[in-house]
Amino acid sequence: DVKVTQSSRYLVKRTGEKVFLECVQDMDHENMFWYRQDPGLGLRLIYFSYDVKMKEKGDIPEGYSVSREKKERFSLILESASTNQTSMYLCASSLPGQGASGARFGPGTRLTVL
Amino acid sequence: RKEVEQDPGPFNVPEGATVAFNCTYSNSASQSFFWYRQDCRKEPKLLMSVYSSGNEDGRFTAQLNRASQYISLLIRDSKLSDSATYLCVVAFTGGGNKLTFGTGTQLKVEL
Repeated sequence: DVKVTQSSRYLVKRTGEKVFLECVQDMDHENMFWYRQDPGLGLRLIYFSYDVKMKEKGDIPEGYSVSREKKERFSLILESASTNQTSMYLCASSLPGQGASGARFGPGTRLTVL
Repeated sequence: RKEVEQDPGPFNVPEGATVAFNCTYSNSASQSFFWYRQDCRKEPKLLMSVYSSGNEDGRFTAQLNRASQYISLLIRDSKLSDSATYLCVVAFTGGGNKLTFGTGTQLKVEL
């Protein structure tokens, strides 16, 4: 069964900590995405990548960075976590051109920053 | 103005009812359209793509009106298991295939 996995389902960190969220897909997808989802705001794109070592800012990149050293892995980094980064983080991957396939999501990481 | 707008609901309907959701998008260059379903505390999952000619998958029918920049989803003979949040999603290939999501419409199907 092909899938997208995320390193943690639940994570609690303290303000100022450096946080790594890992995402791995086994579908050989070129595109990978990081979203956060908040009540009333829906899913908002943080960063995306369409190839190894390539990255593009999404709609809300401030306070985040990413790393894509291998095709299957896309990491989201919170350099210095803040309470307003408490959220559900969702990773997704897709093929170029989308077509009818859309994107496949991981199960999400619920991050709480205290 | 949001790029993708949906009525948040909730839509409370009896089992067996027909229900329709609408969605509008602002980027006229958008090229791909989808409906995703998200269950409580779960990740979004692709329900169906939306084509200009309209398309149907069982009890679900999706329509696209490019001139009005409007997408719809019709669910016939609603089941309890259809209760979820339905997300309208738009993709613009020139923007790196990123997906832009609406905030979702919540559906509750009741006995």
